[in-house]
This record gives sequence, C-alpha cells and structure tokens, in this order.
Amino acid sequence: SQKIEQNSEALNIQEGKTATLTCNYTNYSPAYLQWYRQDPGRGPVFLLLIRENEKEKRKERLKVTFDTTLKQSLFHITASQPADSATYLCAPEGEDGTASKLTFGTGTRLQVTL
Amino acid sequence: DAGVIQSPRHEVTEMGQEVTLRCKPISGHDYLFWYRQTMMRGLELLIYFNNNVPIDDSGMPEDRFSAKMPNASFSTLKIQPSEPRDSAVYFCASSSQGKGGELFFGEGSRLTVL
Repeated sequence: SQKIEQNSEALNIQEGKTATLTCNYTNYSPAYLQWYRQDPGRGPVFLLLIRENEKEKRKERLKVTFDTTLKQSLFHITASQPADSATYLCAPEGEDGTASKLTFGTGTRLQVTL
Repeated sequence: DAGVIQSPRHEVTEMGQEVTLRCKPISGHDYLFWYRQTMMRGLELLIYFNNNVPIDDSGMPEDRFSAKMPNASFSTLKIQPSEPRDSAVYFCASSSQGKGGELFFGEGSRLTVL
C-alpha cells in the first residue's frame, strides 16, 4: 500500500538557520507533490507544488526538491524565523482519478527558537 | 472571498447520536473534499465531489458515514450512529482544479464522541 513517511519527531532549530524537512514515500509514482503548513487548531495551508519533471522549486525563503529515483522530497526554509514554527505536511498526489487526490503524511513539527 | 466555511467548529456528543458537519466551499470551486485528521493516522481523505457528484468515497470508513452535496455551495458529512472512535477533526477543502490543484481547507470541525 502507499506509504508516506515524515520525521515524526519535532525539529528544533535556531533562528536564522536553514530547516530541512524530509518526506519519503513508497509504492507510489506521484505526478506531483505538494507541501502544506498547518498551525495548531487551523486547517492546512498550501505552500508549494512540485512536478515529477522538476528537480527543484523555490518561493521566497522556501525550497522544495523532488527526487523520483529516491522517492523523496526535501523541504527547506532558509533564514528561519520563529513565525515559521508550525507542522509541515507533504502530500504526494496519485494519478488515479481526475482530482488532486492527495494523501498526506503525518507531518513534521518545526520549532524555531531565538 | 471568506474561504471555506465549516460548522460547527466544535461538537461534543454522546455515543449513538447523529452528527452532521457542514461545509460551504469557495465560490466557483468545482471540487470538494472531506478529510479526517487524528494524531495516529494523520489526514485521511474520506470522499470527494466534482460538480456536486461524489467521485470517490473509498475512504469512508463504514456505512455509518454518509456525505451529500445538494448544490455547489453546500455539503454535509453525517455520522449515524456516532462512536467514540469517530472523535477527530474533520476538514472540508475545495479546489478549482483537478490534477495538481491547490486545496483550500476550512478551519475544521472538532468532534468528540463520549
């Protein structure tokens, strides 16, 4: 069955450093992979989408890579700030169906300290 | 636009009672999704609609769960009878695109079944 693995333990990082979050998937050949941010008590918010033919995508301080051979996506936040503290969810997309039938990982909680 | 609107935000009920969760998607979005989030299993897709028609309900856990979308601006998720293991946060999301579409989530309905 399809499986998504994200670091279950929280990632603690100092302000100004680069945070790197990992998403591994198995039994999948996703055409896309999306990353979302979720704050406590709120719904997930879309951050980035990367396609299988793209190696890397950037948006401001965010960078996502997508390695279809390793079946892995890395999510980087450069110059991290306390406001970046949240849970980050990766969501590989399957090719079944016509809609974005996303399957989410359980997420990695990022804590940025001063 | 006000975004995806869900109600109620919190619901506490007793086992055996009927629960109805409501969702108003973003105007113009043709796709509507119902997800359930728990600590153990993360975000799970229950069902999604396209143009008010249920497309994939393979994630609906059992016959106690049902979802309807009578028109483009309203959907319900009903649990009857409810059980303690149904306790979770239920999210509704909408999208204007099929494959590769960004999902816009509501703030969720936290359900506690005693």
